[in-house]
Formats: sequence, C-alpha cells, structure tokens
Amino acid sequence: DIQMTQSPSSLSASVGDRVTITCRASQSITTFLNWYQQKPGKAPKLLIYVASSLASGVPSRFSGSGSGTDFTLTITSLQPEDFATYFCQQTYTTPWTFGLGTKVEIK
Amino acid sequence: QVQLQESGPGLVKPSETLSLTCTVSGGSISTYYWSWIRQRPGNGLEWIGYIYYSGTSYHNPSLKGRVTISIDTSKNQFSLKVSSVTAADTAVYYCARGSTEYDGRGYYYFFDYWGQGNLVTVSS
Repeated sequence: DIQMTQSPSSLSASVGDRVTITCRASQSITTFLNWYQQKPGKAPKLLIYVASSLASGVPSRFSGSGSGTDFTLTITSLQPEDFATYFCQQTYTTPWTFGLGTKVEIK
Repeated sequence: QVQLQESGPGLVKPSETLSLTCTVSGGSISTYYWSWIRQRPGNGLEWIGYIYYSGTSYHNPSLKGRVTISIDTSKNQFSLKVSSVTAADTAVYYCARGSTEYDGRGYYYFFDYWGQGNLVTVSS
C-alpha cells in the first residue's frame, strides 16, 4: 500500500496567518492527490482534487500544489472557520489511502 | 443537491455481521463510484471499498475478505456488510460518492459528497 505522511501532525496559528501543510507519498503518485477538511463530529469535505484543482464552493484562500511524492496545501489567510483537521488522500492505486491528518488549532 | 444518509444499528456484538445502508437523494446512483470509509476513534480515515452502479466492486485487503458491498439502483441505495466483527471494527462509518476527472491520460478519483457518518460500536 502507498503510505501518506503528513507534517506537521498539528500546528497552532492565528487568524490571518499563512498556513502550509505537507503530504509525502511513499512512491510517486503523479497528481492523484486530494485534500479534505474535517471539523469535529462532521464528515470530511473535499477541498482540492488532482493536487491543485479547487473543489466547487471552496474559498480561493485554499490552494494545492505538488506532483510525484511531495504535495502542499496552503491557506493564505487563515479564517476562524478554517480551524479543523486536514487529510490528504492518494487515488493513484488501490487501496486508496489517507494521511493521518494535520490538526490546525487556534494560537 | 446530492445527499447521502447512512442507516443501520449503532451496536453490534463481536463475531456478528455489521450491516449499513446508504441512501442517495438528489441524484441518481446509476453513475459514479460509491464508497465506504471508516474512521476509528482517534485514528485517521480508512477506505473500505467501492461499488460501481454496474456492480463492479473493490474491497480493501486490510479487511481480509470480510467485506461485501452491494448496490440496489431501484432504491438508490448501496450497502456494506462486514462479517466476524471485533472491537477493532468500532468506528464511524461514512458513505461517499466517488467522482472522476479525466485529463486524456487517466481517471482521477475523489470523494465529493459524504454522508454524515454512522457510529458503530462492537461490544457484547
């Protein structure tokens, strides 16, 4: 199985900060990489697909980049509603696998 | 607006079979890939498998052949069964719609709609 490693596992940030989350795949997955946001008690929500495509209705402060094994999710100006856990997922090959998540907390 | 809703018992005894159904509204089930994903307490997300409307399915080998995913297009529903459950199967189970994007080289899959989740506890 392809292992997805996210870093950091958690971070503290303030409203207005620029936040960067990294996801590394154990082998090349080209751009078969998705990002999800999950709030406590809720289902994950799709943010980014195909590494850099913004899902419908997602604010433009979210962006994704990368290819091969290294990917980044960036939030340019953190808003109060962005405090959540973020997961990456590869769909390059089955079984599709997720990272363990990055929890973004209020500083 | 597409909506997914899981239903099924919240408590299952060890060694028995966990059964959940996902009802899709606001759109037809007769396209897309339909998946089950679970999230064990304090853990990340684990993809269980998918079924296509034609009946083609894939199951994650991590569940060691205990999984059955089926689809009923007449009811706009798909279902999950996990047999011989143990405490390790305690989790929130989500159903999700898998969409695809084709760029001329391949199909990219992603989950664009999710159910709200159904907590299943395995305990005697």
